[in-house]
Amino acid sequence: AQTVTQSQPEMSVQEAETVTLSCTYDTSENNYYLFWYKQPPSRQMILVIRQEAYKQQNATENRFSVNFQKAAKSFSLKISDSQLGDTAMYFCAFMNQRSGTYKYIFGTGTRLKVLA
Amino acid sequence: DAEITQSPRHKITETGRQVTLACHQTWNHNNMFWYRQDLGHGLRLIHYSYGVQDTNKGEVSDGYSVSRSNTEDLPLTLESAASSQTSVYFCASSESGGARGEQYFGPGTRLTVT
Repeated sequence: AQTVTQSQPEMSVQEAETVTLSCTYDTSENNYYLFWYKQPPSRQMILVIRQEAYKQQNATENRFSVNFQKAAKSFSLKISDSQLGDTAMYFCAFMNQRSGTYKYIFGTGTRLKVLA
Repeated sequence: DAEITQSPRHKITETGRQVTLACHQTWNHNNMFWYRQDLGHGLRLIHYSYGVQDTNKGEVSDGYSVSRSNTEDLPLTLESAASSQTSVYFCASSESGGARGEQYFGPGTRLTVT
């Protein structure tokens, strides 16, 4: 069975600084997707970034980038130039790419606070 | 614009009562999911459906049921509410077949069982 671990329950960062959130996962599958979702105080879940396991290049979306290490089963999220609006709960999620399978396995989340 | 909605947004009920949480999506997605969110556990999958008349149990399905009679709706029923089911419930949907896996989430329902 797949598992997803986020070992940092809470983190804080100064505005404009860079922060990295860690995520590790365990799977015997070779093809899968990994995601980072953001949940601000409004509770709405928002997709931040997605990585396909067959792609060696790390995904980037503006100030958000990932460090995907397939052999180490690690998928960390880097937030550059942190903004107050980045304050949120961040969840890492795994989805098997096997045909007909679309469900996620989530980590327990990291609460990030950006300090002014 | 397409969206996914949940109702009610807040619900207080008593132990032993049957409760139904509604989820409606206009994305025309085949896949729909119900999660519960609890401190220290993240989001855990309760039930999911990959199409009309299809339902499957997730990791925390005991005490919950779903039915899928059309593409748009996946109501979640708590047969006999228990205090352990006090939680925030999220519904989500996604495309199937060649899609890149993104799930679209509803705004959540906060359920309190007293």
